[in-house]
Amino acid sequence: GAVVSQHPSWVICKSGTSVKIECRSLDFQATTMFWYRQFPKQSLMLMATSNEGSKATYEQGVEKDKFLINHASLTLSTLTVTSAHPEDSSFYICSARWLDSSFSYNEQFFGPGTRLTVL
Amino acid sequence: GQNIDQPTEMTATEGAIVQINCTYQTSGFNGLFWYQQHAGEAPTFLSYNVLDGLEEKGRFSSFLSRSKGYSYLLLKELQMKDSASYLCAVSLDSNYQLIWGAGTKLIIKP
Repeated sequence: GAVVSQHPSWVICKSGTSVKIECRSLDFQATTMFWYRQFPKQSLMLMATSNEGSKATYEQGVEKDKFLINHASLTLSTLTVTSAHPEDSSFYICSARWLDSSFSYNEQFFGPGTRLTVL
Repeated sequence: GQNIDQPTEMTATEGAIVQINCTYQTSGFNGLFWYQQHAGEAPTFLSYNVLDGLEEKGRFSSFLSRSKGYSYLLLKELQMKDSASYLCAVSLDSNYQLIWGAGTKLIIKP
């Protein structure tokens, strides 16, 4: 159980285009989803926290108009990188938290990640 | 500010034991996680500590001392597949966000 999927697993796009990444919790309901970015040989950087039905909370330095997050249901969140540039090339990873109140701690389950390359 | 420190890289021999340390200074504390991340893949959960002491799970154990702001991950009977980065992350009190360390790259040699 507790499987999170991401689609696509990799994408190559031209500079100036927009790219949408989907994050789905397959067998549980996620109250909260997190979006991370990871550059080579660096740790995870939290971009935003997304709660179902409400606006995402962005970390300092992350442009909300560039990285659009929609958390439309308890099983789906999307990240849209608008007007992508080469510096946006990175590994984007989502994670989801379990809704079940019986769950004893706030473990995050990670998706497999999406590698974005902007030419 | 929030700060989590771990060694950048460690090397160990197959079959041996290795201890990866993590120290933290954070504004809140709601538990400490260890994750394993292979190159090009997402992190996978290894352990969680919220109370002081040792948590053992097979070949992996994790220890926490809240008063010292210190944790370690102990890996026994090392296998080549254990070559990966090990990430220490602290959960703050209220919003379940994780503050991540930079990760320790563990290299296993035959």
